Amino acid sequence: DTEVTQTPKHLVMGMTNKKSLKCEQHMGHRAMYWYKQKAKKPPELMFVYSYEKLSINESVPSRFSPECPNSSLLNLHLHALQPEDSALYLCASSQDLEGRRNIQYFGAGTRLSVL
Amino acid sequence: DAKTTQPTSMDCAEGRAANLPCNHSTISGNEYVYWYRQIHSQGPQYIIHGLKNNETNEMASLIITEDRKSSTLILPHATLRDTAVYYCIVRALNTGTASKLTFGTGTRLQVTL
Repeated sequence: DTEVTQTPKHLVMGMTNKKSLKCEQHMGHRAMYWYKQKAKKPPELMFVYSYEKLSINESVPSRFSPECPNSSLLNLHLHALQPEDSALYLCASSQDLEGRRNIQYFGAGTRLSVL
Repeated sequence: DAKTTQPTSMDCAEGRAANLPCNHSTISGNEYVYWYRQIHSQGPQYIIHGLKNNETNEMASLIITEDRKSSTLILPHATLRDTAVYYCIVRALNTGTASKLTFGTGTRLQVTL
């Protein structure tokens, strides 16, 4: 089973709303990732968690707040977003960060629209 | 990580082999070549990776030139379900940036009847 499950599949929110994106994997992976993908562009890395600790933050604005409550779950909390934050948000996981075990498996994404 | 160059788009007839090239002329000795693809409205999917030897799995074959400055992903019998954007990514393992996948613009492969 190489499944990464993301919920919700679609989300529409206003600029004053608070919402959360959820990602779950049951492959025993210890590294998890958030990517952002704008239309017709490649995915861009946002955050990396390793063993439930934040390892990389690619200078993402504080209105995006990641959380890794346990090794199977990754959340992305959203607050006071802007319309330009509308995008496909992808979650991925890998066995860990090291070497050949870093094959990343992606979820189908959450398509976010900010009005 | 080294930069990659791929054609913007390619067409392939169903049942024929799809050969997707990638140029990575500045690749370093410790950098691997990875291929992912992204089918419309889905997340990227890992295909294959290699260092210098040719590799084959159930999805594809990866041919890396002897000087490692370019590679070719081969889908031996393309089907309509192989229509996707294919990303060639070069990354070093066991380094501080090993966890980063830096996607380029990729090649949009259209498989036709």
